[in-house]
Amino acid sequence: DTAVSQTPKYLVTQMGNDKSIKCEQNLGHDTMYWYKQDSKKFLKIMFSYNNKELIINETVPNRFSPKSPDKAHLNLHINSLELGDSAVYFCASSVRSGSTYEQYFGPGTRLTVT
Amino acid sequence: GQNIDQPTEMTATEGAIVQINCTYQTSGFNGLFWYQQHAGEAPTFLSYNVLDGLEEKGRFSSFLSRSKGYSYLLLKELQMKDSASYLCAVRENTGGFKTIFGAGTRLFVKA
Repeated sequence: DTAVSQTPKYLVTQMGNDKSIKCEQNLGHDTMYWYKQDSKKFLKIMFSYNNKELIINETVPNRFSPKSPDKAHLNLHINSLELGDSAVYFCASSVRSGSTYEQYFGPGTRLTVT
Repeated sequence: GQNIDQPTEMTATEGAIVQINCTYQTSGFNGLFWYQQHAGEAPTFLSYNVLDGLEEKGRFSSFLSRSKGYSYLLLKELQMKDSASYLCAVRENTGGFKTIFGAGTRLFVKA
């Protein structure tokens, strides 16, 4: 199936640990994103990559480090996890299609830090 | 900077019409999106407006007025499955393209 996939879907870990979330899209898109959706359901952009280059880097703690090995993959590594990092993390991808720039979202990774 | 406002919650009856409003303030406006997000799921694209006017797509329509910084999403013939959050999002170009999401409107459709 063509889609944006993320692993893992659920991640429960303790404070201070380091964890990674992986994202892959096989839609042939050239831009990928990481969003954080907190308990209030606010979807906030964290990072964006275009053709493996970082183009958006919002005010995110440097404990968060994205890596894009190729256009189809964008991973997110988080060091020294904190309670406030608990949220759902969505990966997305997009390409210009006609006059739209719609984004396709992965299923999300629910991170719980205890 | 940018600011996107939409109502937190709305309730409507099955078969009815509901309009969800969104106002925004942004520099470098480059289009407005509406996304639907069911509980526990990912957002899915509904519509995109970059020019003023109404875009119709089946039961859903979206309107944009750039001069007023205003958009609405119109849902007709409501169905129970339309119960979801509806996210208004603005694409802006401030030296790079970025999409900013509003907090979303939770729509409850009752029988």
